[in-house]
Amino acid sequence: QLQESGPGLVKPSETLSLTCTVSGGSISSNEYFWGWIRQPPGKGLEWIGSIYYVGTSDYNPSLKSRLTISVDTSKNHFSLRLRSVTAADTAVYFCARYDIVGENLDHWGQGTLVTVSS
Amino acid sequence: QSVLTQPPSVSGAPGQRVTISCAASGSNIGPGFDVHWYQQLPGTAPTLLIYGNNNRLSGVPDRFSGSKSGTSASLAISGLQADDEADYYCQSYDSSLNSVVFGGGTKLTVL
Repeated sequence: QLQESGPGLVKPSETLSLTCTVSGGSISSNEYFWGWIRQPPGKGLEWIGSIYYVGTSDYNPSLKSRLTISVDTSKNHFSLRLRSVTAADTAVYFCARYDIVGENLDHWGQGTLVTVSS
Repeated sequence: QSVLTQPPSVSGAPGQRVTISCAASGSNIGPGFDVHWYQQLPGTAPTLLIYGNNNRLSGVPDRFSGSKSGTSASLAISGLQADDEADYYCQSYDSSLNSVVFGGGTKLTVL
């Protein structure tokens, strides 16, 4: 299971920080990447990026300059930091497990709504 | 903008069959890349429905089927039921972006 946590409200220009805790299995698996996806209200899914347990990461080019994804294997969780947020970053943020061989997202968290507003 | 193009909406009456298309633009998503389909029921997270173009996840009814030819894929749903009403997304991998990509999503309405 995957569970997102973090503030539901972030002020413009500040940093959005979320954590995804993985339970029922180890994040230190060579079979998976661990990813973030977001969905603005009423819109479609947008890939944010992912990380492998050793720290290798990939980011959506459109977010790369503001984005950091990190992993903490001792806590079995991974995190997202998005800097200099605007109202356009308001969305439901999902974490998910990315199967490397299958190239698909086979387990998702329930999602958490983050609103950017003063 | 999505490199995978889906129709914004489709609809059908109970018992009918509908198809949802997913067309890749350019040559970045080709025969070597698989397409996967997700179902998102209202207010919930997406769940993997079809993987590797045409493989149903365990527990998914055989009313759901996927296919792929070249750079286009389709999801077919036969024997439509009211609880099939959801948003459906296709997903693949873009080799030029080096990134996972999603289609824009299709809202299925059961009339």
